[in-house]
This record gives sequence, C-alpha cells and structure tokens, in this order.
Amino acid sequence: KAGVTQTPRYLIKTRGQQVTLSCSPISGHRSVSWYQQTPGQGLQFLFEYFSETQRNKGNFPGRFSGRQFSNSRSEMNVSTLELGDSALYLCASSLTGQESSYNSPLHFGNGTRLTVT
Amino acid sequence: GENVEQHPSTLSVQEGDSAVIKCTYSDSASNYFPWYKQELGKGPQLIIDIRSNVGEKKDQRIAVTLNKTAKHFSLHITETQPEDSAVYFCAATNEGYGNNRLAFGKGNQVVVIP
Repeated sequence: KAGVTQTPRYLIKTRGQQVTLSCSPISGHRSVSWYQQTPGQGLQFLFEYFSETQRNKGNFPGRFSGRQFSNSRSEMNVSTLELGDSALYLCASSLTGQESSYNSPLHFGNGTRLTVT
Repeated sequence: GENVEQHPSTLSVQEGDSAVIKCTYSDSASNYFPWYKQELGKGPQLIIDIRSNVGEKKDQRIAVTLNKTAKHFSLHITETQPEDSAVYFCAATNEGYGNNRLAFGKGNQVVVIP
C-alpha cells in the first residue's frame, strides 16, 4: 500500500507570496492532519480534516488554511508568506472515524520543505 | 493545552548498549502516547504506542513504560544498532471520537556509536 504522498518536496518562495501544498493520504484513510516542523518549535499541529470538514485547529494565524476533497486528498495554503513560515510541513493520515473511542495511528509523509526568502 | 517535554536532548550510546528517553506530560486527561522515529529527510514513523490502560508495552527491542501518577512515559531501546540512530519524538493526546491532535516533545537525537 502506498504511503502518504506530499508534493512538492521542496519550495522556495518570496515574502508576501502565497503557497499551496498537497497531500494524498493512504488509500482508505479519511482523516488528514497537517503539522509544521521547525528546529525551534518542533512539531506543531496546524489542523485536521475529516470528510471534507475541518474538525480541529491549532494556534496558527488565519494565513494558514486548508481543505479536503471528496477523495480525502488535502491541500494547505499559506498566504502572505513571512520568513518565519520557513519550515518542513508534514501531512499525516489516519483511519480514525468519529465512532471509535480509540484512534488509529497517524502515518506521516516525508513533508514539503518550504523556504521563504 | 497539553505540554510534552523530552529529556535528554541528545543521547550517545555504544552499539549494543541500551538507550532510554523519558518524556513528561502535563494534561492528566491524556490517554494515548505514541513514539515516532525520524530519519534525515523523512517524515516521522510510528515505532510504538501505549494507552493509559496499560503500564508497559514491548515490541522486540523496543519497549515503552507509562507512569500515569507521575505523568511520564519512557522509551527503552535495547541492543542498540547503528540504524537506531535518528531523532525520536514522544507525543501525547486525549484520543477518541475524532481527536487526532498530538502534542509532541521537542525530540531526542540518538547517536549509536559503532
């Protein structure tokens, strides 16, 4: 079974621009989460989508947004890029539904490395 | 929200020795504790997880222990091998009914010296 696929692997953008990152979850997984990883702050939760609905959101400004499509693929968008947005953006998928008291594990992709200059 | 801390930040061990990484968490409602291994250029990979209804779980050379009273959990790697060299992250969450939001520790760099 193919893992979580993130595209592109690397991106270089200029301050003020916007960027869209893409994530294809493992087949059959309906939950997609996004995390930002930086050396200083570590792994921080951005948001999670399930059945095309955002059901959880981290403490990031409104410049960070996302969406999920009917095939569970997800995109995240960052508008008006700042230097501090340079990071590895990780997508993770999970089987978890809303009917279970237990979660299935998160499976991460290899990330998109965003550099803002 | 949940706050997870990891100690030590860097750990060097001789091949064949054991490595132990300890994490503490702040939210007593947390009940799911996964550990992830991240190699250079890759995303984190789940290596073991534990739920609050058990105190210990083992998978070959890897084990995790949980002390709910003290709010800490530890990763134990025995008979370390060079391929165990990586960054290890612990995480915690109050799982269930759609909550996939993990709070991660800052990570431990483990270096296995051949």
